[in-house]
Amino acid sequence: QQQVKQSPQSLIVQKGGIPIINCAYENTAFDYFPWYQQFPGKGPALLIAIRPDVSEKKEGRFTISFNKSAKQFSLHIMDSQPGDSATYFCAASRGRMYSGGGADGLTFGKGTHLIIQP
Amino acid sequence: DAGVIQSPRHEVTEMGQEVTLRCKPISGHNSLFWYRQTMMRGLELLIYFNNNVPIDDSGMPEDRFSAKMPNASFSTLKIQPSEPRDSAVYFCASSLSTGGANTQYFGPGTRLTVL
Repeated sequence: QQQVKQSPQSLIVQKGGIPIINCAYENTAFDYFPWYQQFPGKGPALLIAIRPDVSEKKEGRFTISFNKSAKQFSLHIMDSQPGDSATYFCAASRGRMYSGGGADGLTFGKGTHLIIQP
Repeated sequence: DAGVIQSPRHEVTEMGQEVTLRCKPISGHNSLFWYRQTMMRGLELLIYFNNNVPIDDSGMPEDRFSAKMPNASFSTLKIQPSEPRDSAVYFCASSLSTGGANTQYFGPGTRLTVL
């Protein structure tokens, strides 16, 4: 069962455009929603994260929009640059009650391969 | 800060051999996670530890897989016997689980090829 569904699988955007990547989740126990960026040959790196008590979070050129009732969240990249070309993963984890009081493991979407053309 | 350290970075072995992957988490972190990445299945959680105690190993695919965390600064993931379908990139991640944060820092991964 895929608990976090991510779309699109791949995306090509011109420099300066605003790529949008969408994710939907099923498990209402999820309460932490990060986005990770991965370059070839590297491990994923945290980009930005949100909790369901807010509907939007911005960090630099990256924005997460969150819709709790629809169980959907999305990543927007403003003024995209060729250096943003990478694979992006949405993820989700549950609250501490499910993990013995510590951090919970992440459930990842399948990833979006983003190419920003110069 | 050295980040999460994994070894080896690349491992090529033959079917039936034992494989041991190693991870050193970031100093002071109290949660450690093992993930596997393949083209077909994406990033999957295998097992994680909080304060050196295994919390959830439901992602471990078979009894051939085992993981240990003997102390706060070291963990191993062992596959015995290995099979070609185990070929993947294995990532270790660590986090300091305080408050509500769950920021996980990933290592560079171990690329495992089983022939």
